[in-house]
Amino acid sequence: SQQGEEDPQALSIQEGENATMNCSYKTSINNLQWYRQNSGRGLVHLILIRSNEREKHSGRLRVTLDTSKKSSSLLITASRAADTASYFCATSKGSGSRLTFGEGTQLTVNP
Amino acid sequence: ETGVTQTPRHLVMGMTNKKSLKCEQHLGHNAMYWYKQSAKKPLELMFVYNFKEQTENNSVPSRFSPECPNSSHLFLHLHTLQPEDSALYLCASSHAGWERNTGELFFGEGSRLTVL
Repeated sequence: SQQGEEDPQALSIQEGENATMNCSYKTSINNLQWYRQNSGRGLVHLILIRSNEREKHSGRLRVTLDTSKKSSSLLITASRAADTASYFCATSKGSGSRLTFGEGTQLTVNP
Repeated sequence: ETGVTQTPRHLVMGMTNKKSLKCEQHLGHNAMYWYKQSAKKPLELMFVYNFKEQTENNSVPSRFSPECPNSSHLFLHLHTLQPEDSALYLCASSHAGWERNTGELFFGEGSRLTVL
């Protein structure tokens, strides 16, 4: 079964609005990461949150992790058209980087 | 520019062809990976190499053959592929080992493969 599942599958918002994407997983993790992918390009690492952390910030990004609910959220504040991309969560169970990716959320930010 | 370069970016091949995908990283990493990304499916890990040794093969068909001559280069040799193998093939690298492992992967831009 899939480890990371993003919700919603697609999200369309207006520039300036906030975008929230959620990720749920099934087993215990060591860390959870969020990646971004522009259409037809490679994935770019955005932020990593460890299992003993609850919240992390990076610029306009805010990630939360609730290990009791096995879920994470990615908030992009004051969105821009350039934020249009697919966003993936990925979980790691421990040593090494054997990440398991979800199917992603397609975010469209309309100018 | 992520420090991971994949060539070719696009490849069209027939089912009887033999081709290779190449990946090169300039980040000083010791682990390299091949992932397959198909439409509407999660990324699938295919192969993992740590310090040039293959440490993971996720039940990938033998028509895909990886090669890792050194820690900076990774190849994926393709032969007698099927149309369902059409996908974006992504190479990634990372530090290997507990002491340097942040868990972060650095991806190349991918090779878009179409099998006719």
